[in-house]
Amino acid sequence: GQQVMQIPQYQHVQEGEDFTTYCNSSTTLSNIQWYKQRPGGHPVFLIQLVKSGEVKKQKRLTFQFGEAKKNSSLHITATQTTDVGTYFCAGIKAAGNKLTFGGGTRVLVKP
Amino acid sequence: GAVVSQHPSWVICKSGTSVKIECRSLDFQATTMFWYRQFPKQSLMLMATSNEGSKATYEQGVEKDKFLINHASLTLSTLTVTSAHPEDSSFYICSASLATEQYFGPGTRLTVT
Repeated sequence: GQQVMQIPQYQHVQEGEDFTTYCNSSTTLSNIQWYKQRPGGHPVFLIQLVKSGEVKKQKRLTFQFGEAKKNSSLHITATQTTDVGTYFCAGIKAAGNKLTFGGGTRVLVKP
Repeated sequence: GAVVSQHPSWVICKSGTSVKIECRSLDFQATTMFWYRQFPKQSLMLMATSNEGSKATYEQGVEKDKFLINHASLTLSTLTVTSAHPEDSSFYICSASLATEQYFGPGTRLTVT
């Protein structure tokens, strides 16, 4: 079945530094979505990428969808303490509607 | 817009009893709702896909007789955990789809003693 892998599993970042989390799917995706889950909270939708090679920005967050539509990345610049949480990517296969979640990257920010 | 609610937000029940969790889309109609389970520090695992007016589609390894799903209207889906056991303790999250996006409820934390 479809698998979605995320690395790293944990990311300890000094406040102000940048980091990137990567997402790889075993199958080609029709779209990929990113979610953020704060400790004790539920996943909150961040963005959806649909087109091959697509890049979208949200303030300090940059999302990219690979050319082959099998991988994606989230880059955060100038990390802040409010960025703490787990970032999940989730992909939908072509002609499907089910989200398969990656394992998530748990981000801790050192002030 | 696109708000999904869940009730209850947390529940403690005794082993052997059943628990019903409600998922509602408050400001939109959702033909499809999804139920996920999340164990501590793990990812979300899809349990089943629920379509209004039809039987739910369960993922491999999920017992349909234990996790009963009803999707009676375009704004309400329910998950009933029957004969709950301590290993069923988890965070249960629903989502409702609107176009290609899924909006998640706040989750229900179930503890079975």
